[in-house]
Amino acid sequence: GESVGLHLPTLSVQEGDNSIINCAYSNSASDYFIWYKQESGKGPQFIIDIRSNMDKRQGQRVTVLLNKTVKHLSLQIAATQPGDSAVYFCAENIPASGNTPLVFGKGTRLSVIA
Amino acid sequence: GAVVSQHPSRVICKSGTSVKIECRSLDFQATTMFWYRQFPKQSLMLMATSNEGSKATYEQGVEKDKFLINHASLTLSTLTVTSAHPEDSSFYICSARENPNSNQPQHFGDGTRLSIL
Repeated sequence: GESVGLHLPTLSVQEGDNSIINCAYSNSASDYFIWYKQESGKGPQFIIDIRSNMDKRQGQRVTVLLNKTVKHLSLQIAATQPGDSAVYFCAENIPASGNTPLVFGKGTRLSVIA
Repeated sequence: GAVVSQHPSRVICKSGTSVKIECRSLDFQATTMFWYRQFPKQSLMLMATSNEGSKATYEQGVEKDKFLINHASLTLSTLTVTSAHPEDSSFYICSARENPNSNQPQHFGDGTRLSIL
């Protein structure tokens, strides 16, 4: 199940099931979005990105969906494996001049039950 | 692919010590690097933007005299936590883009776990 509180929301899924991690982004002008995976004690690792002129992009076992109408981004992981257990962050680029940093969401912890 | 390397990965030191953390872009040049801080079970908090050859830009609430940033070359930025205290204990992560356009991915180092006793 999924719980939201002061700490990271957690999503628990059975191994082999599909996972869907959701993210509400902040700015309707955002033109680029990324999903990162962060394992314990490591830096965030790029998973997949999508530009605002698309609504779906697929990678290996992962799919990102973008709904600009409601400012919603989701990450779908097919056939979830124990190695997918990590914290997942969405990030958005709010257009501005120069090399500006991505804005990160709060993150969701994915726990895979073997 | 673009690789960002951080050193050291872990530091444990006494209160009052100053600690320097290095961030290197290994196979690309980065005129801009970003420094983040992350507390347990929380998201990344941007501390500052490091600019090669000029002063860093600090986020609101981040003390520039406490967190000294030096971006002396196109492949190296350093963050020095001066006179560190237990409340400075955190996970510090740096990031850079291979392509300087903001609608491109940021690549992250593996972070530095700082523990102040």
